[in-house]
Amino acid sequence: GQQVMQIPQYQHVQEGEDFTTYCNSSTTLSNIQWYKQRPGGHPVFLIQLVKSGEVKKQKRLTFQFGEAKKNSSLHITATQTTDVGTYFCAGRLGGGSNYKLTFGKGTLLTVNP
Amino acid sequence: DTEVTQTPKHLVMGMTNKKSLKCEQHMGHRAMYWYKQKAKKPPELMFVYSYEKLSINESVPSRFSPECPNSSLLNLHLHALQPEDSALYLCASSQGPFGQGALNIQYFGAGTRLSVL
Repeated sequence: GQQVMQIPQYQHVQEGEDFTTYCNSSTTLSNIQWYKQRPGGHPVFLIQLVKSGEVKKQKRLTFQFGEAKKNSSLHITATQTTDVGTYFCAGRLGGGSNYKLTFGKGTLLTVNP
Repeated sequence: DTEVTQTPKHLVMGMTNKKSLKCEQHMGHRAMYWYKQKAKKPPELMFVYSYEKLSINESVPSRFSPECPNSSLLNLHLHALQPEDSALYLCASSQGPFGQGALNIQYFGAGTRLSVL
């Protein structure tokens, strides 16, 4: 079936280092969302990207949506221990009344203080 | 208020038991979702309700039975579960299933951690 691939699966960094996770889809996405799930927690919405080539920033987090709307990335500058968790991208395939989000497998970020 | 409330937080049940999971939101959202999440895996969609009608059933076994009594409530009835059904069950809601922008954002509850013995 249609999939959203996410890499890397795990990333361990020293506090202060940067971190990036990437998502790729074989088909065009109508939009892409990013969620963060802390250990033992539930997914929390971070951001949604809709437009081709869109870039959005939230403090130290930068989100990009590719020109072809098939890939996306999340970059964290100068990681902190509070950034620990699993980051999921979730793409909406197609348009119209498409309820379904297809989640990537997630990237688990651990930060060494 | 962007809260989705799920009860109970934890549930242990035997394979012959019948139990129900509950989910409630008061954001006026018209789409509600059940997901299953195994450890270190992404959420897997089970069911979608839109305007209180079942819109998507992702080929979920009949031992899971969803119910949407009204626009704010979503239940998941469990019967004769298997140990492999042990997982975190997440409820989510979104403003609507159509269009772009804020309508699509899904708000997740804290989940029910289910153990089947």
